[in-house]
Amino acid sequence: GQQLNQSPQSMFIQEGEDVSMNCTSSSIFNTWLWYKQDPGEGPVLLIALYKAGELTSNGRLTAQFGITRKDSFLNISASIPSDVGIYFCAGRPVTNAGNMLTFGGGTRLMVKP
Amino acid sequence: SQTIHQWPATLVQPVGSPLSLECTVEGTSNPNLYWYRQAAGRGLQLLFYSVGIGQISSEVPQNLSASRPQDRQFILSSKKLLLSDSGFYLCAWSAGLGNEQFFGPGTRLTVL
Repeated sequence: GQQLNQSPQSMFIQEGEDVSMNCTSSSIFNTWLWYKQDPGEGPVLLIALYKAGELTSNGRLTAQFGITRKDSFLNISASIPSDVGIYFCAGRPVTNAGNMLTFGGGTRLMVKP
Repeated sequence: SQTIHQWPATLVQPVGSPLSLECTVEGTSNPNLYWYRQAAGRGLQLLFYSVGIGQISSEVPQNLSASRPQDRQFILSSKKLLLSDSGFYLCAWSAGLGNEQFFGPGTRLTVL
C-alpha cells in the first residue's frame, strides 16, 4: 500500500518556539489531513487540504499542500505546553483504487515550559 | 452533529479470555467504520473497515475479528486474548472511504 513518511518522529522544544513537521510520499495525493492526538484520547482533525499549493491556518497552526502533491507541511507558531501530543498526517492517494486514507507514523511533540 | 462512542474506556483482561469492544456512531447514516490499534507512543495500525452492514474487510491477519450488526454499530472481538493484543483501540467513521475520518475516544486494553 501507499506509505507516508512523517518527520521528525519526535521533537522536544522549548515553550515559545516554532515547530515544523512534514509528510512525504512517492505517490501523488489529492487530499492531505493533519490530526492531533492528546495523550489517552482519539486523534482530532486539525486541518484539511484539498488543492495543490493550498495554505490553511487554524489559530497558531498552518498547513500547506505541497505543490508537487507528494508532500504536506504543518507549522505551529509560538508553542505552548498544551501543544504536547502526537501529530498525524493522512492523505488520500490518487492511485489508490480503494480510495482509503493512508496515515503517517506520527510526530511526537514535547514542550518544555 | 455526529458523535462517536466507544465502550468500555478501559479494560483489563486475562490471557485467554474473550473480548468485545463496541463502537457506535450517532447523527449519520451509512458511515464507513474503522478499527485501529495503537501501541504505546506509536502510529495507527488499521485492523478492519466496513462499508456497510455485514461487510467487513480485514487489513491484518490476527487474533481479532470484527462485526457490523447494525448500520451504526461496529464490534471488535476475540475468542482468546493474547498478551500482544494489549494496546489502545480506536474506532473511526467517515462519510466515504477517502473522506476525513473522525475518531472515537478509544479503549485502553491491557491483557495480563
